[in-house]
Amino acid sequence: DVKVTQSSRYLVKRTGEKVFLECVQDMDHENMFWYRQDPGLGLRLIYFSYDVKMKEKGDIPEGYSVSREKKERFSLILESASTNQTSMYLCASSPYGTDSQETQYFGPGTRLLVL
Amino acid sequence: GNSVTQMEGPVTLSEEAFLTINCTYTATGYPSLFWYVQYPGEGLQLLLKATKADDKGSNKGFEATYRKETTSFHLEKGSVQVSDSAVYFCALSGAGGTSYGKLTFGQGTILTVHP
Repeated sequence: DVKVTQSSRYLVKRTGEKVFLECVQDMDHENMFWYRQDPGLGLRLIYFSYDVKMKEKGDIPEGYSVSREKKERFSLILESASTNQTSMYLCASSPYGTDSQETQYFGPGTRLLVL
Repeated sequence: GNSVTQMEGPVTLSEEAFLTINCTYTATGYPSLFWYVQYPGEGLQLLLKATKADDKGSNKGFEATYRKETTSFHLEKGSVQVSDSAVYFCALSGAGGTSYGKLTFGQGTILTVHP
């Protein structure tokens, strides 16, 4: 079974702190994604990566950056956390492909509260 | 741009009732369509998918048919169980060129099934 793990289930940070969210997948997937989930808005794509050191912005990249130094690990960075970044963050991975048919496999999520 | 619209919830049903969750989409080209489910405290997992017009996806008693003429992908189940209580997300990918499988999600529908 594909396993996607996220470093924390719950996280509490203060405004202005730098926050790192880590995601690791064990299936050698090329594609990895970071989403945020908010009630009534569904999931929105923040960033994705299709290869080591390759990244592209999603729909809501402002205030976030990412890092992918190894194939299995994809990190989301909040450079200076703000209260409007309080949310559930979900990481996902999928096998190689530029097409649309591959299933994404999701981690359990990190619920971040910024005070 | 691409968008997905789901029926508003929450939806509350009695066990063995019939379920329909409506999903319509707006996209260029020929997207693939997905239903993902999120059980309490977990990440999302694929429920079913369809990759071309008139395809029917099915899993665990759930079904959805890709209707290009009505741009819809409604989820149905003939007899729901308490264990089906979850949040259901409709999503699309692959519309408008190289996508790397990026997903556009609907807002999610909360389903609660009572004994």
